[in-house]
Amino acid sequence: DAKTTQPTSMDCAEGRAANLPCNHSTISGNEYVYWYRQIHSQGPQYIIHGLKNNETNEMASLIITEDRKSSTLILPHATLRDTAVYYCIVRVEGTGRRALTFGSGTRLQVQP
Amino acid sequence: KAGVTQTPRYLIKTRGQQVTLSCSPISGHRSVSWYQQTPGQGLQFLFEYFSETQRNKGNFPGRFSGRQFSNSRSEMNVSTLELGDSALYLCASSPARGGQDTQYFGPGTRLTVL
Repeated sequence: DAKTTQPTSMDCAEGRAANLPCNHSTISGNEYVYWYRQIHSQGPQYIIHGLKNNETNEMASLIITEDRKSSTLILPHATLRDTAVYYCIVRVEGTGRRALTFGSGTRLQVQP
Repeated sequence: KAGVTQTPRYLIKTRGQQVTLSCSPISGHRSVSWYQQTPGQGLQFLFEYFSETQRNKGNFPGRFSGRQFSNSRSEMNVSTLELGDSALYLCASSPARGGQDTQYFGPGTRLTVL
């Protein structure tokens, strides 16, 4: 699976959009971009994933650049409950190998 | 639909003992994976089970083992516990059908080895 690079930490004001970047310059054509988050000492929570088109669900939006070398997770209106470590992961689907490789992630602190 | 459940949530053991952790996947999910999370090493993949067979294994010693039952429930066992085995153990389930591979995590079992 391709390696990802994320900033170590970010701050965001409550109510504002949080934009979390991820670099995956060695991504292959069949690798998906996944985002998970982990609130302190809880299990990681799935947020969203995509291949090349932008995706949106009730939690967030995922913007993938046209060359697929980077992506941005957008939390449109951050709340204090969004304070967590956010992990960007790239992986191939449909191979029967479902292991996720977690990096260090981005620690997002939402400020009141 | 109920999420992934793990039991027990907290466990304290002493060195040399063994421990068994349990995971019940989301209903209808066929794949169960286990991860270990420590402050030093982060989240690391242990192994994955599908159709009662271990499909993939991470880089952990043989003291770590697991199994999956016909109802997709899974257990993992750690024998001869060491202090370094203190960690949050996470279970994740996936539909594993029709290309649906997204993993959903349980709350974890916090193991402390004294």
